[in-house]
Formats: sequence, structure tokens, C-alpha cells
Amino acid sequence: QQQVKQSPQSLIVQKGGISIINCAYENTAFDYFPWYQQFPGKGPALLIAIRPDVSEKKEGRFTISFNKSAKQFSLHIMDSQPGDSATYFCAALNAGGTSYGKLTFGQGTILTVHP
Amino acid sequence: GAGVSQSPSNKVTEKGKDVELRCDPISGHTALYWYRQSLGQGLEFLIYFQGNSAPDKSGLPSDRFSAERTGGSVSTLTIQRTQQEDSAVYLCASSLGVPHSSYEQYFGPGTRLTVT
Repeated sequence: QQQVKQSPQSLIVQKGGISIINCAYENTAFDYFPWYQQFPGKGPALLIAIRPDVSEKKEGRFTISFNKSAKQFSLHIMDSQPGDSATYFCAALNAGGTSYGKLTFGQGTILTVHP
Repeated sequence: GAGVSQSPSNKVTEKGKDVELRCDPISGHTALYWYRQSLGQGLEFLIYFQGNSAPDKSGLPSDRFSAERTGGSVSTLTIQRTQQEDSAVYLCASSLGVPHSSYEQYFGPGTRLTVT
């Protein structure tokens, strides 16, 4: 059973535009939600993360919006640049559970930013 | 210091052979994780080590897979009698772990395993 659903599978944005990637989760015990960025041939790199006690977190051009009641969270990339072209993964973790440390990932979104 | 390192970066093996994949976590990180990334299954959790506690092996797909962590640092993932469906990128990650309450996991570059 897929516990984190991510959409869209692929996204094409013009330079300077806003990229939005959405994730929905099922397990209400999840309490840590990171986003990872992965370039071809590299491991995933932590981009930004949020805990459910806040509804939004911003770091530079990257913002996470979190809706606890809807069990959804999203990544917004403002002023998207060609260098942002990569695969993005959302993930979730239950920090208080017996499976502490186990990240459950979404299926990934391939972002292409055209110059 | 240095990030998570993994070796080899690429491994091609024949079906039925055993392989060992190595992970060196970030110095001072007590938690270590193995994940598998494949086209069909995305990123899947395999196993988690925290200090000297018994590992969480709940993600290992079969008894052909095993992992150990020696001296609380380096880890080796072993796949016995490899099958073609084992072909994937095997990723290692580490974090500060308990009791730091830091959940940030830092990934290595991965080992691409191809079983022919």
C-alpha cells in the first residue's frame, strides 16, 4: 500500500515561473515531512523539511505548505531556474514510532525548467 | 567533514553470485539506513541501524538480503544469490539519530547494481 502519493509525475516550467509539486499521505502518525532533490547519478539531497506544528516553511526560493487536516503537503519553487531541473521526492516519517528513521517516499516528480 | 560515501559506485555481477556493498556514514552519525531505488518501485526502505540497538530489518525483501554494521560506523549490505530483479541503485544514508531528535538523513551517491 503506497502511503505517500506524489503528483505530477513530470512538470515543465518556464524560467522564472513557479513549480508546484503535491503530496498526500495516509498515515496520520507521520510527523516529519522532508523534500529531496536528486540529480542524475547522484543521491537524493535534503532540500527542506517541515513538522506538522507549522503550516508553512520557507527557505530561499523553496516553500513547503502543509495542510494537516487534508493530509497534504506541497513544495513551491519560486522563480524556477534551469539549474532546478531535477527529480524531486517528498517523504514522510513517524519519528515516534517503532520504525523511527524509516522514510516513506513519494514516487518522484521530474521537473524540467526551460530557459 | 566528508559526506556519506559508498563503494563500489557500480557493480555488474552474474545471476547467482553474491555481492557486498559498502557504506561509510558521516562521522558522528549514529543512525544508518539502506534504501533501494529502482524504476518500478521508486525509493524503498531496506534496513535501519541505530547505535548498538537491534536493526530494523522490516524492509528487507527476502532472506537473501542482509546487512551489518561494524563498530557503529561502516555498514555492509550483502545480497546472496543475486537475481535480475535485484538490479537497482542501493543508497545509504546517515543521520545524527537518537537522542538528538534530528531526523535529517543525508544520502550517499549510491551503488548501481546490475545483475546479468
